[in-house]
Amino acid sequence: DIVMTQSPDSVAVSLGERATIKCRSSQSVLRTSDNNNFLAWYQQKPGQPPKLLISWASTRESGVPDRFIGSGSGTDFTLTISSLQAEDVALYYCQQYFSSLSWTFGQGTKVEIK
Amino acid sequence: QVQLQESGPGLVKPSETLSLTCTVSGGPIDSFYWNLIRQPPGRGLEWIGYIYHSGASNYNPSLKSRVTMSVERSSKQFSLKLTSVTAADTAVYYCAGGGRYGIFDIWGHGTLVIVSS
Repeated sequence: DIVMTQSPDSVAVSLGERATIKCRSSQSVLRTSDNNNFLAWYQQKPGQPPKLLISWASTRESGVPDRFIGSGSGTDFTLTISSLQAEDVALYYCQQYFSSLSWTFGQGTKVEIK
Repeated sequence: QVQLQESGPGLVKPSETLSLTCTVSGGPIDSFYWNLIRQPPGRGLEWIGYIYHSGASNYNPSLKSRVTMSVERSSKQFSLKLTSVTAADTAVYYCAGGGRYGIFDIWGHGTLVIVSS
């Protein structure tokens, strides 16, 4: 399995400030033939299913605010919330879909308001 | 807009088989890969497996010996059977849909299954 490790486990940020979440994969999820990174980010609010925010490491889903920015390549990725809003309080998960044997998630990062 | 609804017993006895059904509405069952994903209480997400409308499937190697997924096109449903359950299988089970790449852009609300005698 490709192991996904997120850091930190939780982060507290003031409203309007930047929140940064890291995700590292145990092996590269970059397909070099087309330079695509097989990495997605999800947001999960309490009592709700996860919601897809970003795929291919940096492509926002339709309707996702542009304050959510995905970046990185290979084994190291970042989700940045550029200006934290109250509605962004949630758990955030990265997920690799590079390995067709098994798709795996990070352990999650909790974003809170300071 | 495609929607998913999970159904199944909320309580299963240890060593028995967990059975869960997902119903697709608002769109064709042919267009997506259909997945089961679970989340133990207070913990992270674990992909269980997928099935395609053709019947092609792929399972998480850690669960493969106990998992069977099936699809019924006429009723627009897909199902999970997980055998020999233990307390470690207690989780919220989600139905999820996506393309062939394993990006999950459609989710059901989830159903809590507790394994207990």
